[in-house]
Amino acid sequence: EDKVVQSPLSLVVHEGDTVTLNCSYEVTNFRSLLWYKQEKKAPTFLFMLTSSGIEKKSGRLSSILDKKELFSILNITATQTGDSAIYLCAVERGSNYKLTFGKGTLLTVNP
Amino acid sequence: NAGVTQTPKFQVLKTGQSMTLQCAQDMNHEYMSWYRQDPGMGLRLIHYSVGAGITDQGEVPNGYNVSRSTTEDFPLRLLSAAPSQTSVYFCASSSWGRVTDTQYFGPGTRLTVL
Repeated sequence: EDKVVQSPLSLVVHEGDTVTLNCSYEVTNFRSLLWYKQEKKAPTFLFMLTSSGIEKKSGRLSSILDKKELFSILNITATQTGDSAIYLCAVERGSNYKLTFGKGTLLTVNP
Repeated sequence: NAGVTQTPKFQVLKTGQSMTLQCAQDMNHEYMSWYRQDPGMGLRLIHYSVGAGITDQGEVPNGYNVSRSTTEDFPLRLLSAAPSQTSVYFCASSSWGRVTDTQYFGPGTRLTVL
């Protein structure tokens, strides 16, 4: 059975802090790992990672994948209150686009 | 492009009632899926489809039916609603066979079963 574990489950920080969110996985026939941000509505896509060691970056957010150790991290630097959200990690199994999601990390950024 | 649309936004049912959650996309995506999201549980795949006429079960399919008669539409049917089906339901779509593509999510339907 595919498994995706995110940690921590929740995190409270102050504006300006840097945070690291973790995602470890066990999946048959791994194809890709995806990060989503979910505020009050539907998840919105952040990153897709398929290769080890290549950092994806978008503004203050960055992510990297380690296929040997089966984990990914999502970094957010200089956090802002608008970063408050649930961050979801999902792993895609090859051949059928099935995504298995982790339970998410609830990030709260206080002013 | 409207993207992925879902109706209704909210619904309250009584135990035993049936209903259909609608999902449509106008991006000509082959792949469509339904997820449910419960507090602290992430998203769990209910059913998915890789094209018109083809559907398959996900992680939590019991109590739900789907069909895919057109590329655009992928309705989710609750046959006999139960309180355990109280959840937020998301429909998603993506292009099939493109490694760099991602899933686009609809706005969700919040369902309460009394």
